Amino acid sequence: AQSVTQLGSHVSVSEGALVLLRCNYSSSVPPYLFWYVQYPNQGLQLLLKYTSAATLVKGINGFEAEFKKSETSFHLTKPSAHMSDAAEYFCAVRPGGSQGNLIFGKGTKLSVKP
Amino acid sequence: GAGVSQSPSNKVTEKGKDVELRCDPISGHTALYWYRQRLGQGLEFLIYFQGNSAPDKSGLPSDRFSAERTGESVSTLTIQRTQQEDSAVYLCASSLAMGGQGQFFGPGTRLTVL
Repeated sequence: AQSVTQLGSHVSVSEGALVLLRCNYSSSVPPYLFWYVQYPNQGLQLLLKYTSAATLVKGINGFEAEFKKSETSFHLTKPSAHMSDAAEYFCAVRPGGSQGNLIFGKGTKLSVKP
Repeated sequence: GAGVSQSPSNKVTEKGKDVELRCDPISGHTALYWYRQRLGQGLEFLIYFQGNSAPDKSGLPSDRFSAERTGESVSTLTIQRTQQEDSAVYLCASSLAMGGQGQFFGPGTRLTVL
């Protein structure tokens, strides 16, 4: 069965530091991969997506993610954290084929220290 | 409206009562999804509608849960004889066709079962 693992339920970085949120997936077919962000008391917002085009995907707010098939990973990065990046981040996979729903990881809460 | 809307935003009910949650997808989106997010957890897939095809009900946790969709518009999620473990935020999302471009989420309905 397909699954998504996000390493670290909480990540804390200083403002200006590199952000790295890890996501590994398992899928028997080439997947579609997504990162969503959930700001406090707000709904889920699509951050970026991988749909079998370029392996390095750029999203909103300076985030990017790289699809590495050999490592079954889709880690999210941002070179310099901003206070406004504090939120919960969810990695998700759409397994492909006729299955349309997303399978989500448990989320990583990012805190940014001044 | 431009986005996915859900109503009510909050629902408090007593154990054993039935509740009905509503979702209005983005116009033109043929696919509609229901997810559940329990406190501190990732999103749990419930049910998926794609056009006029039979819905994928594989995520529904029990026969107390059901959902309907009229054509490619409004959907209702019904929970019968609610239990305390049903307390969660219920999220609706919609997408074009198979969702390769990402699913767009509504703000959710927070259900509290007393």
